[in-house]
Amino acid sequence: KQEVTQIPAALSVPEGENLVLNCSFTDSAIYNLQWFRQDPGKGLTSLLLIQSSQREQTSGRLNASLDKSSGRSTLYIAASQPGDSATYLCAVVDNTDKLIFGTGTRLQVFP
Amino acid sequence: DTAVSQTPKYLVTQMGNDKSIKCEQNLGHDTMYWYKQDSKKFLKIMFSYNNKELIINETVPNRFSPKSPDKAHLNLHINSLELGDSAVYFCASSQLGTEQFFGPGTRLTVL
Repeated sequence: KQEVTQIPAALSVPEGENLVLNCSFTDSAIYNLQWFRQDPGKGLTSLLLIQSSQREQTSGRLNASLDKSSGRSTLYIAASQPGDSATYLCAVVDNTDKLIFGTGTRLQVFP
Repeated sequence: DTAVSQTPKYLVTQMGNDKSIKCEQNLGHDTMYWYKQDSKKFLKIMFSYNNKELIINETVPNRFSPKSPDKAHLNLHINSLELGDSAVYFCASSQLGTEQFFGPGTRLTVL
């Protein structure tokens, strides 16, 4: 059974820092991996999708990497801003197109 | 030009009642999903439909019945509501195997 874990559970940093959020999964037979952010009381916003054949994806200040064989993905946020404060969720997609979510990392960036 | 929309946003009801949540997507996707986010903020898939056909049913009680009248709509009907059904329900859509886009969520409170 696929299990997805995110470390750390919470993170509080000053503005301007570069951050790394970690995601690990137990079954490497994934179809793709998706990173989301969720603001309090809101829905999920898709940030990046990495196909299983890819090693990384970039969007603006965000860079996500994938190491399928070791069951790991990282989300790198450069030059963090207060507007980046949110919960970040990692989810893997199995071959039934089902998203299996991690437990999330709650990020707070203070000015 | 909302991509995935849900109604209602909030739903407060008594135990034992029957209620429905509606979802519509205008992205032209062929697959739609329902996810449940519990009080601990953990997200889990409930159902998915591809071209109006059920492809995933994650051992959800049969009090929950999804209905897809067409590719752009996936409604969720819940019979005999219980206290444990209180959660936020998210609808999502994708082209099968690609990035999933989420609606804003429906917060269901059962009293």
